[in-house]
Amino acid sequence: EDKVVQSPLSLVVHEGDTVTLNCSYEVTNFRSLLWYKQEKKAPTFLFMLTSSGIEKKSGRLSSILDKKELFSILNITATQTGDSAVYLCAVFGYKYIFGTGTRLKVLA
Amino acid sequence: DAGVIQSPRHEVTEMGQEVTLRCKPISGHDYLFWYRQTMMRGLELLIYFNNNVPIDDSGMPEDRFSAKMPNASFSTLKIQPSEPRDSAVYFCASSFGTGVSPLHFGNGTRLTVT
Repeated sequence: EDKVVQSPLSLVVHEGDTVTLNCSYEVTNFRSLLWYKQEKKAPTFLFMLTSSGIEKKSGRLSSILDKKELFSILNITATQTGDSAVYLCAVFGYKYIFGTGTRLKVLA
Repeated sequence: DAGVIQSPRHEVTEMGQEVTLRCKPISGHDYLFWYRQTMMRGLELLIYFNNNVPIDDSGMPEDRFSAKMPNASFSTLKIQPSEPRDSAVYFCASSFGTGVSPLHFGNGTRLTVT
């Protein structure tokens, strides 16, 4: 059965810290891995990764995929209180399967 | 781009009542997904459609749940009869293609069944 596992489940850091969120997966016919940020309401799209070793970057956020080891990481540098959210990882094989998320809290 | 539009935003109903959730996908998107989110189980895929045709409904919990997509701009998720364990946030999402383009989510419907 396809599955996506995220770690840690939750994380508390101080502003300015760097965090690394992990996503490992087992999926048939892997095509892509996606990261989302969810605050109070709908998940919002961050990155889509399809190729190993190519870093996607947007401001202080970056992500990379390792298709051999079946995982991805999401890095956030110089964290801000506005980064507090649940970060979701999803993998597409024949359908989108989501992990349960990492809850990040950034303290001022 | 209006985004994915869901209604109602909140629904409170009594056990045994019928509940209908509605979704308008982004124009031009050919895939539509219904997800349910709870603290215990996270985001669970209930059903998805391609070009208005249901492709995979293996996530629909039981016969009390049904979904339709009569045209490219409208879908419904119906629960009849509703039960307290159906309380959750229900998200609709759409995409253009699958696996190569991201899902775009609506703001969800928070359902409470008392």
